[in-house]
Amino acid sequence: AQSVAQPEDQVNVAEGNPLTVKCTYSVSGNPYLFWYVQYPNRGLQFLLKYITGDNLVKGSYGFEAEFNKSQTSFHLKKPSALVSDSALYFCAVRDWEDGNNRLAFGKGNQVVVIP
Amino acid sequence: GAGVSQSPRYKVAKRGQDVALRCDPISGHVSLFWYQQALGQGPEFLTYFQNEAQLDKSGLPSDRFFAERPEGSVSTLKIQRTQQEDSAVYLCASSLQGEMYSGANVLTFGAGSRLTVL
Repeated sequence: AQSVAQPEDQVNVAEGNPLTVKCTYSVSGNPYLFWYVQYPNRGLQFLLKYITGDNLVKGSYGFEAEFNKSQTSFHLKKPSALVSDSALYFCAVRDWEDGNNRLAFGKGNQVVVIP
Repeated sequence: GAGVSQSPRYKVAKRGQDVALRCDPISGHVSLFWYQQALGQGPEFLTYFQNEAQLDKSGLPSDRFFAERPEGSVSTLKIQRTQQEDSAVYLCASSLQGEMYSGANVLTFGAGSRLTVL
């Protein structure tokens, strides 16, 4: 079984400061890792994914994430946060070797960027 | 269509009523998923279709929940005899390829159907 932990409920950051949203995962095999963002009354939107290769993954809107196998982490980062980045962020994992096709999501982190 | 369309966006049901939620995926997308998102929680997997075949329904919480995709495009999630614990946002997502070809497929989500059971 696969699972994701997002330990912080809310992340507050001043506009222009670096933003980090934490995620750790648990799988029995090799992970496929994803970050999605959810704005109010909108569906989840894909930001980036890690499949294999370079541990640093770059995605949409200036976001990036670093895969760390030893720490089983996949933290989302942005060097300079914008007010428009305020939203709900979800980390998700799929263990492809587990033979299932479902994504396991974390509970989400509310990001608040303060002007 | 340009995106995944879900209807109704909001549904209020009295306990014991049956409800049907519709998902219209992106045209040509092979895979279709249903997720349930309770308030303050992340989405939880319900069921998965590849074309018209329901390959995984292990996430459906009870036999009151039923999903179908008879022609491999539009899908309907039906909940019979609704209970208060069924109150949630029901998300539909689709992806271009079947899951057997790429477990790394990106899902495109609809805006969801918010169900409130009184």
